[in-house]
Amino acid sequence: GPKVLQIPSHQIIDMGQMVTLNCDPVSNHLYFYWYKQILGQQMEFLVNFYNGKVMEKSKLFKDQFSVERPDGSYFTLKIQPTALEDSAVYFCASSLLQNTEVFFGKGTRLTVV
Amino acid sequence: AQSVTQPDARVTVSEGASLQLRCKYSYFGTPYLFWYVQYPRQGLQLLLKYYPGDPVVQGVNGFEAEFSKSNSSFHLRKASVHWSDWAVYFCAVSPSGGNYKPTFGKGTSLVVHP
Repeated sequence: GPKVLQIPSHQIIDMGQMVTLNCDPVSNHLYFYWYKQILGQQMEFLVNFYNGKVMEKSKLFKDQFSVERPDGSYFTLKIQPTALEDSAVYFCASSLLQNTEVFFGKGTRLTVV
Repeated sequence: AQSVTQPDARVTVSEGASLQLRCKYSYFGTPYLFWYVQYPRQGLQLLLKYYPGDPVVQGVNGFEAEFSKSNSSFHLRKASVHWSDWAVYFCAVSPSGGNYKPTFGKGTSLVVHP
């Protein structure tokens, strides 16, 4: 079936440094999402993206966070600078339409030290 | 605003027993509803989806769910649980109004005893 690919699967970074998480969504999908999950618990919505714009973002989407998808390539989440509390698993997801099923990647485990 | 409630954070069943995981939703209009499963160190995978129509929908691996508008529920069921069903299950509802994202419940952790 359709797959969302996330690169890398695990990243360790020093606090204060910049990190970019990459996502290759399903090829014909139009809506893109980032979620944050800590300790295998609730999926916390961060942001969604459509037609080159952020549609909605949560309080977790701090000023240090940004997303983009230049020229239909990777959908990226950038954190600059990183903080210890940013350590989590970040899931990228995509959907064809706003109310159709969402496909998730396997996540990137970010460890900020 | 739309919402999803999964009242049971954890459910424990014996292998071979039947299962019901509860999901209640709040939504204006007719929702599209989903159940996802998350195995350890994996992303969420779709189990089944409800689009308006037959209230009972079948999913993968013997799972089914029933939509009830009167009860605002979308409970997940399985007749006989297997140890490989040990995972976290998330219920979700599609966006509506000025909301552009699906809303997920907090998840129910299913533990299967031999």
